[in-house]
Amino acid sequence: GDSVTQMEGPVTLSEEAFLTINCTYTATGYPSLFWYVQYPGEGLQLLLKATKADDKGSNKGFEATYRKETTSFHLEKGSVQVSDSAVYFCALSNAGGTSYGKLTFGQGTILTVHP
Amino acid sequence: NAGVTQTPKFQVLKTGQSMTLQCAQDMNHNSMYWYRQDPGMGLRLIYYSASEGTTDKGEVPNGYNVSRLNKREFSLRLESAAPSQTSVYFCASRAAGYGTDTQYFGPGTRLTVL
Repeated sequence: GDSVTQMEGPVTLSEEAFLTINCTYTATGYPSLFWYVQYPGEGLQLLLKATKADDKGSNKGFEATYRKETTSFHLEKGSVQVSDSAVYFCALSNAGGTSYGKLTFGQGTILTVHP
Repeated sequence: NAGVTQTPKFQVLKTGQSMTLQCAQDMNHNSMYWYRQDPGMGLRLIYYSASEGTTDKGEVPNGYNVSRLNKREFSLRLESAAPSQTSVYFCASRAAGYGTDTQYFGPGTRLTVL
């Protein structure tokens, strides 16, 4: 079945540092890929997505590129802020067959940014 | 638009008690989902409803039942709660059709079973 693997956390950075959170996936067909963010005490919000190979999703300074050859969708940001402290989830949606677009999530990566 | 709403926000149950978690969306979405979130395990799908009138099991359906009451509402019921069901529960919805595979999440229900 489909699966998503994220880098082990937690990740602790100083403000303005460069961020990379690795994500790799296993899936049949041509899934869509997502990064969701969960701020403390809140639900999940879509951060960015990519629907086909070589697409780059971007939002709020975050970027991720859909790499089919390496089955990866790594999240990057050039300069993190304290307000970026949250849990980040990589996920895929395989809308083909009988999966009805359900999301398969990675285990989540806790990011803490210090001033 | 309120998006996806869930009630209650917090709940404490004793083992063996029952309860229903409510979810509603005002985006006219066809598909709705229930997930549970446990530390270090991401979110796992409990049940989903591809459209009004249909429901199907996800990865971890044991101990739960669902009802798609109408297009807006999708409830999750615990008939006899167990400590293993202590978790945070999220409801989500999604529009139908090609290119509309983004799911929108509610704020969650934090459930503790003693």
